Amino acid sequence: NAGVMQNPRHLVRRRGQEARLRCSPMKGHSHVYWYRQLPEEGLKFMVYLQKENIIDESGMPKERFSAEFPKEGPSILRIQQVVRGDSAAYFCASSPQGKNIQYFGAGTRLSVL
Amino acid sequence: AQSVTQLGSHVSVSEGALVLLRCNYSSSVPPYLFWYVQYPNQGLQLLLKYTSAATLVKGINGFEAEFKKSETSFHLTKPSAHMSDAAEYFCAVNLGSEKLVFGKGTKLTVNP
Repeated sequence: NAGVMQNPRHLVRRRGQEARLRCSPMKGHSHVYWYRQLPEEGLKFMVYLQKENIIDESGMPKERFSAEFPKEGPSILRIQQVVRGDSAAYFCASSPQGKNIQYFGAGTRLSVL
Repeated sequence: AQSVTQLGSHVSVSEGALVLLRCNYSSSVPPYLFWYVQYPNQGLQLLLKYTSAATLVKGINGFEAEFKKSETSFHLTKPSAHMSDAAEYFCAVNLGSEKLVFGKGTKLTVNP
């Protein structure tokens, strides 16, 4: 049973470009979470999704950020018009229905030049 | 609001010495508590979790943590540190709202 898969592991973008981060949850997991880790900080919750639904996006910036978890395929975190302050590690976690435990991927490290 | 405080952003111990990483939480309801470990440039690996069963929780790699409601603490311990334990450790709380709230982390250094 493969773990949570995130790609790419490293992503470099210039200011103003778009960043797309992908997350494939563990097999059988229907819940996906995205977290952001800034240098010297812990992880901060961004968004919680179930298949085709955003359940809680209270941690998402109101502009430029969006997330989806389609019926088929991975969850996508999309950042439009990136700025230097978006440089961070973005982690995805998944959990099975009814289980209060999250399993994390290796993260995508976004660098904005 | 729930929050997590990890005392000491850096902890240094000698190989073979006791490891103690502190975590205090604030919560008005019984929490779920977790410890995760992060090795450099890697994701988070679950060490152990408390979900209202036994107050002393044993995890992987010889780590354990004790839930103390009166002290609102969930400190992580290991009797004897190993070089491979050098990593960053995060305490997290979940009140059933699905999202985890993390502390800022403690970097553990193990000296030979």
